[in-house]
Amino acid sequence: DAEITQSPRHKITETGRQVTLACHQTWNHNNMFWYRQDLGHGLRLIHYSYGVQDTNKGEVSDGYSVSRSNTEDLPLTLESAASSQTSVYFCASSVAPGYEQYFGPGTRLTVT
Amino acid sequence: EDQVTQSPEALRLQEGESSSLNCSYTVSGLRGLFWYRQDPGKGPEFLFTLYSAGEEKEKERLKATLTKKESFLHITAPKPEDSATYLCAVSTGANSKLTFGKGITLSVRP
Repeated sequence: DAEITQSPRHKITETGRQVTLACHQTWNHNNMFWYRQDLGHGLRLIHYSYGVQDTNKGEVSDGYSVSRSNTEDLPLTLESAASSQTSVYFCASSVAPGYEQYFGPGTRLTVT
Repeated sequence: EDQVTQSPEALRLQEGESSSLNCSYTVSGLRGLFWYRQDPGKGPEFLFTLYSAGEEKEKERLKATLTKKESFLHITAPKPEDSATYLCAVSTGANSKLTFGKGITLSVRP
């Protein structure tokens, strides 16, 4: 069965370190998304991609970057981790813009 | 700016007590409205997509409806396993990105 996986599932890092969260999907979807979920805010879009070599900023993109070198993967990098980036991060994919998105299991990141 | 408001924030039901969850939206050009279920420690699980006012979709004890201003997720005779957070999202504009509400936490007591 097709799926979307994230790694690691839990990560603790220190302020100022660079961190990369992995996202891999076997749906063969062109569209991939990164969200963060915080109490009181719901899911907020960080970055998204509509295909290889395409990346776009979402509503909370400051301090984050993504790159898309193949269809299956969209890694999320925190250039210099800050305590405000402590959150649960979800990756998602969809077959086309506007269609339902399928989510991964999430990565819980703690920045100390 | 697109806005999605879900109410109530939390809902506690007795097993078998039917109720509805509300999702109201203010957007320009709705392309689709989505309902998700999220269990603690897991990613959101897709339930339904609604595209136009008057549309309804059903799955087991859940039924989703859509008007021009809001959507309802009706839960008929809920069971404890229906306990979860239910998220609503809208897709608008040329980019069709999803904007999520903050969710409704449903607790069903046996």
